[in-house]
Amino acid sequence: DGGITQSPKYLFRKEGQNVTLSCEQNLNHDAMYWYRQDPGQGLRLIYYSQIVNDFQKGDIAEGYSVSREKKESFPLTVTSAQKNPTAFYLCASSIGGGRGSGANVLTFGAGSRLTVL
Amino acid sequence: AQSVTQPDIHITVSEGASLELRCNYSYGATPYLFWYVQSPGQGLQLLLKYFSGDTLVQGIKGFEAEFKRSQSSFNLRKPSVHWSDAAEYFCAVRGGATNKLIFGTGTLLAVQP
Repeated sequence: DGGITQSPKYLFRKEGQNVTLSCEQNLNHDAMYWYRQDPGQGLRLIYYSQIVNDFQKGDIAEGYSVSREKKESFPLTVTSAQKNPTAFYLCASSIGGGRGSGANVLTFGAGSRLTVL
Repeated sequence: AQSVTQPDIHITVSEGASLELRCNYSYGATPYLFWYVQSPGQGLQLLLKYFSGDTLVQGIKGFEAEFKRSQSSFNLRKPSVHWSDAAEYFCAVRGGATNKLIFGTGTLLAVQP
């Protein structure tokens, strides 16, 4: 079955360390997204990519970095510059990033919970 | 700028009772509107979406939502709630040049026996 796989599901990090969260999709979707979820704040967009080798900052990109070298993969690195990284991170994908009926539906992975010790 | 407001942070209903979750959006043109559901520790699942046409849309799990342009609302309803509906519900809007999906802060639904 097609879907999005995020790993690891749980991750603990010491302050000052960079960590990378994996996101892989086999849906043949062009667009991929990273969201951060905190209690009471909904989902906030970190980065998104509409096509391979291209990505744009979302609303809260500071302290994060991404790459999009392959269509199916969109890893997120939480750097030591991110002041409050403890959160639930969700990866999503969609057929495209353009405005059209099919392009707008996001499929989500199960999430990765990062805790900074 | 587009935005979404879910005024109810937490709602408790009895099993078998009807449910309505409120969502108000801010956007200049006709938006694309969505409702997603999230079980604890899981990702989001699409319940239903509105793009155009009939303003009453049907979704999965017996949910429906009605788009009311005059009220800038897209409320989610279910006639009879089941215990398995306990989850967090997110309304989202998409539109504009960036095509980003903007989420509300969510409504946590508890179902009591």
